[in-house]
Amino acid sequence: DAGITQSPRYKITETGRQVTLMCHQTWSHSYMFWYRQDLGHGLRLIYYSAAADITDKGEVPDGYVVSRSKTENFPLTLESATRSQTSVYFCASSESYGSSYEQYFGPGTRLTVT
Amino acid sequence: GESVGLHLPTLSVQEGDNSIINCAYSNSASDYFIWYKQESGKGPQFIIDIRSNMDKRQGQRVTVLLNKTVKHLSLQIAATQPGDSAVYFCAENNTNAGKSTFGDGTTLTVKP
Repeated sequence: DAGITQSPRYKITETGRQVTLMCHQTWSHSYMFWYRQDLGHGLRLIYYSAAADITDKGEVPDGYVVSRSKTENFPLTLESATRSQTSVYFCASSESYGSSYEQYFGPGTRLTVT
Repeated sequence: GESVGLHLPTLSVQEGDNSIINCAYSNSASDYFIWYKQESGKGPQFIIDIRSNMDKRQGQRVTVLLNKTVKHLSLQIAATQPGDSAVYFCAENNTNAGKSTFGDGTTLTVKP
């Protein structure tokens, strides 16, 4: 019963490089989300997806790209990493969105951009 | 060890005491609220939720209160235990807008 997993758990990359963070869920949840969490702050929504091939911007989408070709996977790509993107990234999934359904979070990926 | 009405970034309580964690939300159109618990090095975990047509909801040792007049949400933890030490976030949701917004969180420390 894997639930929701993220890889890698830790990543160090250089400014300007492309980085992809992976997220996989085994529940067949319709909705998936990407958040970033900066030190001492809450979670900010980057992108979310209501179903395969349907994605939408969240609060802080600039510099990020997502895709969802399969229900179970929701990769997040930083096209050209910047130091301001150093953060902990959380993927989440839910059966529905907003009303009635909780989000299940992965363990997070700690990304450092040097 | 309780704080009522004011959001504090940290809260320290004695084991066995009751804890109250507060959250002010910003959007009067928000209609669904969730409290999450985040332990060190882990992702947030659902604790309890409440819809805007309710003003109170109880769980096993937790109670959430919603005051829509002043846009305030609180989480009460009864008989706080060391395992309750974590960061607690409230999240407001507007189902029409399709977005969740998280508060900055309160770090709860339980002293033995």
